[in-house]
Amino acid sequence: QSVLTQPPSASGTPGQRVTISCSGSSSNIGNYAVNWYQQFPGTAPKLLIYTNDQRPSGVPDRFSGSKSGTSASLAISGLQSEDEADYFCAAWDEGLNGPVFGGGTKLTVL
Amino acid sequence: EVQLVQSGAEVKKPGEPLKISCKYSGYDFTNFWIDWVRQTPGKGLEWVGIIYPGDSDTRYSPSFQGQVTISVDKSINTAYLQWSSLRASDSGIYYCARPITGAWFDPWGQGTLVTVSS
Repeated sequence: QSVLTQPPSASGTPGQRVTISCSGSSSNIGNYAVNWYQQFPGTAPKLLIYTNDQRPSGVPDRFSGSKSGTSASLAISGLQSEDEADYFCAAWDEGLNGPVFGGGTKLTVL
Repeated sequence: EVQLVQSGAEVKKPGEPLKISCKYSGYDFTNFWIDWVRQTPGKGLEWVGIIYPGDSDTRYSPSFQGQVTISVDKSINTAYLQWSSLRASDSGIYYCARPITGAWFDPWGQGTLVTVSS
């Protein structure tokens, strides 16, 4: 139902590398930057990656973002238990003339 | 430090009015837009609308146009989201967030849970 499509769940063991995909269209990801947010239960989303692949100060370099065409990906390397959270992608949409979001991916660290 | 602090959780009945708030601190309130975003289990994150405190220029998502009103009081660095008559479908967590550009939001308010139930 969300404009941007993410897998509902992902998982990995400590130390592994996991990737989360985000698929859109030419009206959003294809022409605009992708941003990623991390959300723990009961808290607000927090900026994790901006402008496709930039990390805000304080975000570990284990987190990285990329974009190609109308899709984007978030990669988490050296997975840690504290990475267990929901992850959302977001991009501007020219049809809406506003931001659109992915449905979120719940990451489980096994 | 830039902070957005929202008002507390609300429990209302259908048909009641409601106004929730988002207070800014740590930056020039009038020079940045403020967005409102709703989060629900069924529809995830949805953009509600945006306001520019400098001149109160306001835009709404078509899904929320006519259902809510976004406003601002510059004298107290506070933005508002209000309903004149709530419906059960208005239930959700409402976040205010400062857009740097596009869908790059930083920071977000802590969220206001709105529950509408008879």
